[in-house]
Amino acid sequence: KNQVEQSPQSLIILEGKNCTLQCNYTVSPFSNLRWYKQDTGRGPVSLTIMTFSENTKSNGRYTATLDADTKQSSLHITASQLSDSASYICVVSALTGGGNKLTFGTGTQLKVEL
Amino acid sequence: EAQVTQNPRYLITVTGKKLTVTCSQNMNHEYMSWYRQDPGLGLRQIYYSMNVEVTDKGDVPEGYKVSRKEKRNFPLILESPSPNQTSLYFCASSLSLNTGELFFGEGSRLTVL
Repeated sequence: KNQVEQSPQSLIILEGKNCTLQCNYTVSPFSNLRWYKQDTGRGPVSLTIMTFSENTKSNGRYTATLDADTKQSSLHITASQLSDSASYICVVSALTGGGNKLTFGTGTQLKVEL
Repeated sequence: EAQVTQNPRYLITVTGKKLTVTCSQNMNHEYMSWYRQDPGLGLRQIYYSMNVEVTDKGDVPEGYKVSRKEKRNFPLILESPSPNQTSLYFCASSLSLNTGELFFGEGSRLTVL
């Protein structure tokens, strides 16, 4: 069964600090891995999309890494800001006969405090 | 502006009263899908559509119907809503799930009494 597990479940950090969120998956055959940011009560917004051949991808202060061998990904947030407070969702896509099938993680709830 | 629009954003209804949540996208995307989000469970796919007149069940399709008569619209129908369908619903669309971004709507919060 395809699964995506994220850790930690929740995290509190001080403004200006860095943090790293983890995503482990057992999805196959692997197509791509996505990170989304979801503000409370809003729709998820895409941060990065990584294919099998990509190890690192950045979007401003967000940097995602992918290790397809160990089936792990991380999202590193640099110099955190209050606006980074949100849920971060890892989504892995499997390539099936009917097209891509998405498996969602349950997210990491990040709170950035002064 | 590229967007996915859902209506209504908030709805309180009673058990058994049929309702439809509309979803429209203006990006000419072929792929559209519906999700529900419940605390601790994350996003779960209800139905998806690869193109006009093509729809398939997701992980939690029971109690829901969809249709895709036009490329831009993908309504979610609850024929006889029950309290366990109280949830936050999201519609999403994409040009291609291979490498294309998945755009989400702002969500529809449904309460069934």
